[in-house]
Amino acid sequence: DQQVKQNSPSLSVQEGRISILNCDYTNSMFDYFLWYKKYPAEGPTFLISISSIKDKNEDGRFTVFLNKSAKHLSLHIVPSQPGDSAVYFCAAFGNEKLTFGTGTRLTIIP
Amino acid sequence: GAGVSQSPRYKVAKRGQDVALRCDPISGHVSLFWYQQALGQGPEFLTYFQNEAQLDKSGLPSDRFFAERPEGSVSTLKIQRTQQEDSAVYLCASSSTGGARSEKLFFGSGTQLSVL
Repeated sequence: DQQVKQNSPSLSVQEGRISILNCDYTNSMFDYFLWYKKYPAEGPTFLISISSIKDKNEDGRFTVFLNKSAKHLSLHIVPSQPGDSAVYFCAAFGNEKLTFGTGTRLTIIP
Repeated sequence: GAGVSQSPRYKVAKRGQDVALRCDPISGHVSLFWYQQALGQGPEFLTYFQNEAQLDKSGLPSDRFFAERPEGSVSTLKIQRTQQEDSAVYLCASSSTGGARSEKLFFGSGTQLSVL
């Protein structure tokens, strides 16, 4: 069973606009959430994280929102840039293990 | 080295063959993780080392999978009698902090294993 779900396999956004990537989870024991970014032929790189005691965390152009009651988090990128084109993985900590979603491929259109 | 290094980059194995995948973590990193990423899926946890101690191997799919980190630095993931369902990218990650809850994981580029 997929405990971390990214239901959109792909997303295309015009350069300069906002990109919104979504993630849903089912395990209420998850208490720390992360987003990783992956370019082709490279390993994932850490982007931003949020603890379950917060509902928002911001780092430059990247903001992560957490809605615990809905078991939903989202990553906002604004403004989107061509270098943001990559696969984005949502991940969650629970039981001392990191569980990843299946990823969303973001394409920024110049 | 500057980052996590994995070798080989690609490995093609015949079904039934044994393979060994190597991971060189960032120097001084205490924690080391192995993940398996099947096509179209996210990485899935296999095993975790803190220094030379294998503290969690609950993600290893069968007893054909074995990992070691004898001196607390380089790690090897061995798969015996490979099967087609073992085909995946195997990712290694390291962290400077101890504990399985390592936020800032540094991933290698992975080894893509294809079993024919």
